[in-house]
Amino acid sequence: DQQVKQNSPSLSVQEGRISILNCDYTNSMFDYFLWYKKYPAEGPTFLISISSIKDKNEDGRFTVFLNKSAKHLSLHIVPSQPGDSAVYFCAARGIGSGNTGKLIFGQGTTLQVKP
Amino acid sequence: NAGVTQTPKFRILKIGQSMTLQCTQDMNHNYMYWYRQDPGMGLKLIYYSVGAGITDKGEVPNGYNVSRSTTEDFPLRLELAAPSQTSVYFCASSFRGKNTGELFFGEGSRLTVL
Repeated sequence: DQQVKQNSPSLSVQEGRISILNCDYTNSMFDYFLWYKKYPAEGPTFLISISSIKDKNEDGRFTVFLNKSAKHLSLHIVPSQPGDSAVYFCAARGIGSGNTGKLIFGQGTTLQVKP
Repeated sequence: NAGVTQTPKFRILKIGQSMTLQCTQDMNHNYMYWYRQDPGMGLKLIYYSVGAGITDKGEVPNGYNVSRSTTEDFPLRLELAAPSQTSVYFCASSFRGKNTGELFFGEGSRLTVL
């Protein structure tokens, strides 16, 4: 049972345009949502997070939106750059997992930004 | 700081062999984790530890064992390797006081079982 889902395996956008990566979840008992970025042959690196009590968090070119009623979050990258080409993982932390830090990950979306 | 260091980076095993994936972190993090990544499946939690001497199972623990004798080290043991254990393994750590849930990952260990 996939509690965190990224239904788009891949996304291709033109440099300078907006990239929107989507993530859906089935469990209301998550208190934090995170996005990770992964380059080939490297480990995932933390990108941005959002608390379940907020609906938006922004960090430079990256903004995460949380729609709790739809159990949906999205990552917006504006403007997209070729260096953003990577696999993006959505992750969620269960309420009560704060004392273990366990995260549940989505399947990942491969973003390609074309010059 | 080196962060999270995993060894080996690559390994090929024969069915039935055993091996240990090493993981060490120098950030004095309380929490450590082992995830595996299979194509199209995201990362699945194998085992985790909230401190030295304390370990617990994740989503996919079968065929693996762990130990946590020190804060720094969290080795993952594969007993009787099977083709289904072919995967990329990631070790991660986090600080208990970090309320945003951020994990720090190693570079990964690619294991092939033939």
